[in-house]
Amino acid sequence: DSGVTQTPKHLITATGQRVTLRCSPRSGDLSVYWYQQSLDQGLQFLIQYYNGEERAKGNILERFSAQQFPDLHSELNLSSLELGDSALYFCASSVAGDRAQPQHFGDGTRLSIL
Amino acid sequence: GESVGLHLPTLSVQEGDNSIINCAYSNSASDYFIWYKQESGKGPQFIIDIRSNMDKRQGQRVTVLLNKTVKHLSLQIAATQPGDSAVYFCADGPGNQGGKLIFGQGTELSVKP
Repeated sequence: DSGVTQTPKHLITATGQRVTLRCSPRSGDLSVYWYQQSLDQGLQFLIQYYNGEERAKGNILERFSAQQFPDLHSELNLSSLELGDSALYFCASSVAGDRAQPQHFGDGTRLSIL
Repeated sequence: GESVGLHLPTLSVQEGDNSIINCAYSNSASDYFIWYKQESGKGPQFIIDIRSNMDKRQGQRVTVLLNKTVKHLSLQIAATQPGDSAVYFCADGPGNQGGKLIFGQGTELSVKP
């Protein structure tokens, strides 16, 4: 058990809809990261938050947004969903946010768009 | 652009043999490298990491080797066990971009009993 909790485990929805994925980091970790894993793209970095502030950004679509709350949990919002958004979405956390270090991953949310 | 690639998509070994999984990276500014193991239905699990000021680092049954000259990284697993069967990913941390990690495509390791 990595200590990172993601909910829900599975999500099935339709094109055009909006969903929110939730992540609770390990106790003591200040950074949260979001990744997308699909068969053709592998694990792709989306965005990092550190202590409530955005720290680094990857190729995150404009339809996607994230935030980190004062209690350090994070949410990833995906809107105007398309079939291609079907993927596993992982959250990871680490202690600090200013340099690369081990990130500990949750077990992901599997998003299926019908 | 940045990329981290793996030499082989699949690797099959006999139980008890040593496994070597290879990875190439392209970003000369990378100063941090990490290996993860991912089992079916689970998130990536940290195995071992190494910073660019080191050539070798050992853990329990695992060793990571870093060759900065040819931008090559390898993961060696000693006495491979059936429980080692999984997909292995290398990742690269550019160091100046927060904690961002760039992942390779993964190598699926199968251990034959």
